[in-house]
Amino acid sequence: DTGVSQDPRHKITKRGQNVTFRCDPISEHNRLYWYRQTLGQGPEFLTYFQNEAQLEKSRLLSDRFSAERPKGSFSTLEIQRTEQGDSAMYLCASSEPRTPASYGYTFGSGTRLTVV
Amino acid sequence: GNSVTQMEGPVTLSEEAFLTINCTYTATGYPSLFWYVQYPGEGLQLLLKATKADDKGSNKGFEATYRKETTSFHLEKGSVQVSDSAVYFCALSGTSYGKLTFGQGTILTVHP
Repeated sequence: DTGVSQDPRHKITKRGQNVTFRCDPISEHNRLYWYRQTLGQGPEFLTYFQNEAQLEKSRLLSDRFSAERPKGSFSTLEIQRTEQGDSAMYLCASSEPRTPASYGYTFGSGTRLTVV
Repeated sequence: GNSVTQMEGPVTLSEEAFLTINCTYTATGYPSLFWYVQYPGEGLQLLLKATKADDKGSNKGFEATYRKETTSFHLEKGSVQVSDSAVYFCALSGTSYGKLTFGQGTILTVHP
C-alpha cells in the first residue's frame, strides 16, 4: 500500500492549453474524491466517484473540467482551455468501502497547476 | 449549506506553549468533524476525528471535543513542538459519502 499517488506533482501550462492529471487511489478503495485548494484557502470539493460512477459534481466543476474513472481504479481530471484562475493545487483522496465515509479518508500530495 | 469557520491566523508560539485553534461550524443534521494537518510540501493528513456529539478525538497529543451546543470543535495541545509547525484545517462531513467542507486553515509556527 503506497498511499494515494498523483501525477504530475507540478504542472506549468500556458493559458488556453489543456491539461490532464492522474490519481491512483489506494488499491481496493472504491470511493475517490477530487478537491481544489487555492493559496491560503481550504480545499474545496470538486467531484466524487464510487467505483466508476461519478455521483456528485460541484458547481465549481465548469464545462471545461471533466473527470473520469473508467475502470473504477485510477482517475483523471482534465481541464480544457486553462485560465489563470485555474491555478491551484488539485488534490485526490480515496477511502475504502468497509470504512464509513464519516471516518475521513486519505489524501494524495496533490498536483500544483500554474497557468501562465 | 454547510460551512466551517476557523480562527484567524497565523499563530506563532514558543516551544512547550499551550495551543488552541478555534473552529465553529454550521450544518444540518449530525455531521462528523475532523482536523487535518498539512506539513510543508506534503498532502493533507487526518489528525483526529469525532463522529458524534461529546466525542473527543485525540492523536499525537492533540485533542478536540465535538460540542453540539456551541457548534464547535476546537483543537488543543498542551505543549507544542517545533515539529508541529504546519497548516491546520477544520472540516466537517455532512453526507453519507463523505464530502468534506473545510475551513480556511490556520498556519501554526512554533519557535524553539
